[in-house]
Amino acid sequence: NAGVTQTPKFRILKIGQSMTLQCAQDMNHNYMYWYRQDPGMGLKLIYYSVGAGITDKGEVPNGYNVSRSTTEDFPLRLELAAPSQTSVYFCASSPGTAYGYTFGSGTRLTVV
Amino acid sequence: QQQVKQSPQSLIVQKGGISIINCAYENTAFDYFPWYQQFPGKGPALLIAIRPDVSEKKEGRFTISFNKSAKQFSLHIMDSQPGDSATYFCAASMDSSASKIIFGSGTRLSIRP
Repeated sequence: NAGVTQTPKFRILKIGQSMTLQCAQDMNHNYMYWYRQDPGMGLKLIYYSVGAGITDKGEVPNGYNVSRSTTEDFPLRLELAAPSQTSVYFCASSPGTAYGYTFGSGTRLTVV
Repeated sequence: QQQVKQSPQSLIVQKGGISIINCAYENTAFDYFPWYQQFPGKGPALLIAIRPDVSEKKEGRFTISFNKSAKQFSLHIMDSQPGDSATYFCAASMDSSASKIIFGSGTRLSIRP
């Protein structure tokens, strides 16, 4: 009963480096989301997907890219990392609108 | 109109007391109102949720009260315990929106022994 799995749990990047945050769910949920949470703050939506092959921007998409080739996976790509991208990143999934989300345990990213 | 306003920002309650967190929304199209609980270092977890056709939902010590006319809803934690210490987020979404849930800004709850 894995739910939503995120890897890695922690990562330190240097300014200008790139990386991919992995997210996988085994609940056959169509909807998947990427959020970032800055210290003491709420959740800001980066990107979301309503199904394989369909993605759309959220509130704070700049500096990020996503893809959704399968129902299970929804990776988040950071290009040219900047200190402003230091945050905790959460992936979530749901079976549809007006349903609760299942969140992963998060990736803590520090850009130095 | 898309905002969900949550208060207070932080709350300290004695063990055994009642914790109350409030949220208000503007968009009357919202039709699903969940609450999430987040412990330090963990992802948010769905705690309890309500739809606007009922005024109250109770699950154990946790109760959502919903006032459709006032566009407000609140979380009540009865007999609060130190293990309830966490950050709580209210949220709102609508069936017609394929995009997202709108989250409140969060309430950091501390239960003192």
